[in-house]
Amino acid sequence: AQSVTQLGSHVSVSEGALVLLRCNYSSSVPPYLFWYVQYPNQGLQLLLKYTTGATLVKGINGFEAEFKKSETSFHLTKPSAHMSDAAEYFCAVTGSGAGSYQLTFGKGTKLSVIP
Amino acid sequence: NAGVTQTPKFRVLKTGQSMTLLCAQDMNHEYMYWYRQDPGMGLRLIHYSVGEGTTAKGEVPDGYNVSRLKKQNFLLGLESAAPSQTSVYFCASSSLITGAYTEAFFGQGTRLTVV
Repeated sequence: AQSVTQLGSHVSVSEGALVLLRCNYSSSVPPYLFWYVQYPNQGLQLLLKYTTGATLVKGINGFEAEFKKSETSFHLTKPSAHMSDAAEYFCAVTGSGAGSYQLTFGKGTKLSVIP
Repeated sequence: NAGVTQTPKFRVLKTGQSMTLLCAQDMNHEYMYWYRQDPGMGLRLIHYSVGEGTTAKGEVPDGYNVSRLKKQNFLLGLESAAPSQTSVYFCASSSLITGAYTEAFFGQGTRLTVV
């Protein structure tokens, strides 16, 4: 069984400030980890993913995330927030083995960017 | 480049009515999923399919049925709609490459209101 916990359902940052969205997971097998972004009234768009290899993963729009196995974390960061980053962000996990095709989502974190 | 297409985009049903949501993908993906999204709950898996002719229950399957008669289509049915099924429904698809899970691609969603 796998689960995802996103700390903070709502995060506010000032424009230009650091964005940090937290995600912790539990998985009985080595995980694949994802961050998705959802803009209002739209579907989910992949920001970045970790499968194997380098633990620091860079995504679109200047976001990056680091897989820390010892902390079971996959926090999302961006050095400088932009107004266009205002959206809801979802962390998701799946197992890495064959047949591990169920994607489990966290409850989401809504990011507000204050001018 | 259509990706995952959901129809309809909006629907209002009366309690007890039935309807079918259609999902079509043009990426030749093996796996397809139906999720529902409710405020503060993230995305919860309703049903999924790992191939043509096969379906399985997810986290919240009650009140829904699915069929996958063709690889590119995944239908979600509500036999007797209830107000608790008011939600935004997302279809997604994904694939395996050399046994490794790839990210899920999402449709734009169907906003269903049951009155």
